Amino acid sequence: GAVVSQHPSRVICKSGTSVKIECRSLDFQATTMFWYRQFPKQSLMLMATSNEGSKATYEQGVEKDKFLINHASLTLSTLTVTSAHPEDSSFYICSAHQGAQTEAFFGQGTRLTVV
Amino acid sequence: RKEVEQDPGPFNVPEGATVAFNCTYSNSASQSFFWYRQDCRKEPKLLMSVYSSGNEDGRFTAQLNRASQYISLLIRDSKLSDSATYLCVVTRGKLIFGQGTELSVKP
Repeated sequence: GAVVSQHPSRVICKSGTSVKIECRSLDFQATTMFWYRQFPKQSLMLMATSNEGSKATYEQGVEKDKFLINHASLTLSTLTVTSAHPEDSSFYICSAHQGAQTEAFFGQGTRLTVV
Repeated sequence: RKEVEQDPGPFNVPEGATVAFNCTYSNSASQSFFWYRQDCRKEPKLLMSVYSSGNEDGRFTAQLNRASQYISLLIRDSKLSDSATYLCVVTRGKLIFGQGTELSVKP
């Protein structure tokens, strides 16, 4: 099956710094990628839809200036958590689809801890 | 009310038991339906798609009732390795996840 690679898998950063997470589709082109956040014992919550070559679409309540998304190519989307705070500590996961309504392939996730 | 709701769980069952998970969705415009499995601290992995005609994959059977907006997953002869969180997912241009139901299969 298609593979989506997410990096890094784990990061610890100081409060106030920025962290960049990469999501790559390894063997297919993804015009759309999705970014989710998952807090412990909760389900995945969609943060934003990343569109290649255009601005991301953010879900209600997600600050676009805090969670910067860049989708500069058909195989790479990045999420940058700016000025991270301890409450941003969470599991961030990206996904990509090969086509509309088909299976979503997930990255391995990034566990962010802000200290 | 959440758009996709699942049994709260957790389900603790012995090996060999049959387990049924239920899921309801509120938006009739939902297009596709899936069950995903998520192991602790890992990404979700597709377990199976769900169709109105029902589909079976080994010990797993999924069913969709569009009229009732209800999705089910049945696991027969449960194994220790089935222990995970099961996520009900619908699509409406994007994936919408239920909160998940945790299953723990004990020896």
